[in-house]
Amino acid sequence: DGGITQSPKYLFRKEGQNVTLSCEQNLNHDAMYWYRQDPGQGLRLIYYSQIVNDFQKGDIAEGYSVSREKKESFPLTVTSAQKNPTAFYLCASSMGLAGGMETQYFGPGTRLLVL
Amino acid sequence: KQEVTQIPAALSVPEGENLVLNCSFTDSAIYNLQWFRQDPGKGLTSLLLIQSSQREQTSGRLNASLDKSSGRSTLYIAASQPGDSATYLCAVTWGKLQFGAGTQVVVTP
Repeated sequence: DGGITQSPKYLFRKEGQNVTLSCEQNLNHDAMYWYRQDPGQGLRLIYYSQIVNDFQKGDIAEGYSVSREKKESFPLTVTSAQKNPTAFYLCASSMGLAGGMETQYFGPGTRLLVL
Repeated sequence: KQEVTQIPAALSVPEGENLVLNCSFTDSAIYNLQWFRQDPGKGLTSLLLIQSSQREQTSGRLNASLDKSSGRSTLYIAASQPGDSATYLCAVTWGKLQFGAGTQVVVTP
């Protein structure tokens, strides 16, 4: 089955801890994205990558980091610098290098909670 | 500032009634507009994508229109069913996707 997988489904973070959210796709898509969703708000773009070994900051990149070492994988690290990390995190991918101009396909999401 | 607005935030209709969901955007120089469905605690599913040059798209009971000059899109769902209950998000591409906050729909049997 082709698609996007995210793990874990739920993640708990302690104060001062870095945590990493996994995103994998087998759709052979070049572009991948990370969004944050808070209640009553639309999705906000954290980071995006249009090609391996390259990525750009989105609208709310502070306190987050990413890597894109493989086409299939785009992990997101929530660092201790992110003071309000509780949210639903969604990963997405799309075909082209035009980033955002084609349909984006979304993973099932990871809910991050702070202990 | 490029913004996407969806009003109302929530909507409840009886089964069988047609659903009309609204999306407005501030800058008409868009590449495309997409409608997504999100079930509680789940990811997003793309419903329809309207390119900038198009006026509408249809898929089954769903029809989406686009009027760039007025900065509006409308999603119509005909003969609503309880299974249509979900949050519907509108997203506009101005280089990157910009999402509205969504309209939460409940279809009552």
